[in-house]
Amino acid sequence: DVKVTQSSRYLVKRTGEKVFLECVQDMDHENMFWYRQDPGLGLRLIYFSYDVKMKEKGDIPEGYSVSREKKERFSLILESASTNQTSMYLCASSLAGSQNYGYTFGSGTRLTVV
Amino acid sequence: GDSVTQMEGPVTLSEEAFLTINCTYTATGYPSLFWYVQYPGEGLQLLLKATKADDKGSNKGFEATYRKETTSFHLEKGSVQVSDSAVYFCAPHSGNTPLVFGKGTRLSVIA
Repeated sequence: DVKVTQSSRYLVKRTGEKVFLECVQDMDHENMFWYRQDPGLGLRLIYFSYDVKMKEKGDIPEGYSVSREKKERFSLILESASTNQTSMYLCASSLAGSQNYGYTFGSGTRLTVV
Repeated sequence: GDSVTQMEGPVTLSEEAFLTINCTYTATGYPSLFWYVQYPGEGLQLLLKATKADDKGSNKGFEATYRKETTSFHLEKGSVQVSDSAVYFCAPHSGNTPLVFGKGTRLSVIA
């Protein structure tokens, strides 16, 4: 069964901490994505990557960065966590040229910044 | 870019009721259309899809038909169950741009 694995289901961090959210996929997918999900706002795209060492800003990249050193791993970094980054974070992956195939999502990381 | 308008929830239905969740989209190209479902505490799962006009996607008793003339992809199920309680997301996908999701519709089914 193909999988996208997010390293933590729940995370509590303090304001100002540097936070790493890890995502690993075992499907040899080229594309990987980070979204955040908030009540009433749906899913919003933070960053995405179509290849190793490549990254593109999504709709709300401020306060975040990403790293993709290996094809299977895409990390989201909160440089200095703030309370407004309390949210559910969802990682997804897809095949290149994948308009017809959709995305595979991880189970999500619920981050609370206190 | 692509965009989607999805009916606001929450939707509350009794078991065995008929379900319709409306979805309309705009897209720059010829999109594929998807419905995803998110069960409590989980990530999104692909529920069904359609890749060209008049195609019907179906899965787990849910159906949606790709209506190019009305740019719609409404989700239907003839008889909902308590286990269908979840949040449902509509998403068009054109070309090599990231998926754009609707805000989601929360469905609660009561016994």
